[in-house]
Amino acid sequence: GNSVTQMEGPVTLSEEAFLTINCTYTATGYPSLFWYVQYPGEGLQLLLKATKADDKGSNKGFEATYRKETTSFHLEKGSVQVSDSAVYFCAPPWDSNSGYALNFGKGTSLLVTP
Amino acid sequence: KAGVTQTPRYLIKTRGQQVTLSCSPISGHRSVSWYQQTPGQGLQFLFEYFSETQRNKGNFPGRFSGRQFSNSRSEMNVSTLELGDSALYLCASSVGTYSNQPQHFGDGTRLSIL
Repeated sequence: GNSVTQMEGPVTLSEEAFLTINCTYTATGYPSLFWYVQYPGEGLQLLLKATKADDKGSNKGFEATYRKETTSFHLEKGSVQVSDSAVYFCAPPWDSNSGYALNFGKGTSLLVTP
Repeated sequence: KAGVTQTPRYLIKTRGQQVTLSCSPISGHRSVSWYQQTPGQGLQFLFEYFSETQRNKGNFPGRFSGRQFSNSRSEMNVSTLELGDSALYLCASSVGTYSNQPQHFGDGTRLSIL
């Protein structure tokens, strides 16, 4: 079935540093890909999405490009802020057989220090 | 547009009791999924309901059950509570028809078992 591999972290960066969180996926077909973010005490929020190969999703300075040739969807941000401290999830791709019946795992915990 | 609403936000129970959690999806969303989030296992899929039918189920014991009503609201029930059931339970809704649609999460119910 469809799945993702994502670094667990924790990742600790200084404010204004460059961020990359790697995500590689396996999928049947070309489903949409999503990154979610979870702030302390809250549920997951959609951060960005890409619906087809070579699409670039972007939001709040974060970007990720749907790379079919490398089956990757890495999350990047040029200059992180303290307020970006959160847990980031690369969502397992929707599967036509099992739908959303997939585990997200632990995500990547990011801590940005002043 | 109102988001996904989960009630209650916090619950404290003792071993052997049972508990019911509630989720109201975004208006128009017909798919509701439930997840369990723990530090050790991360975010794990419990089950998904679509139009009052369970469409998918994760790898959890039968003590975990759910249902969906005609207005798409959903409840999950956990019977004979164990200490290991302490977790954040998240509900997510989606349109449910197309794979391109993201899931929308509530802020969760924090369940503590004493």
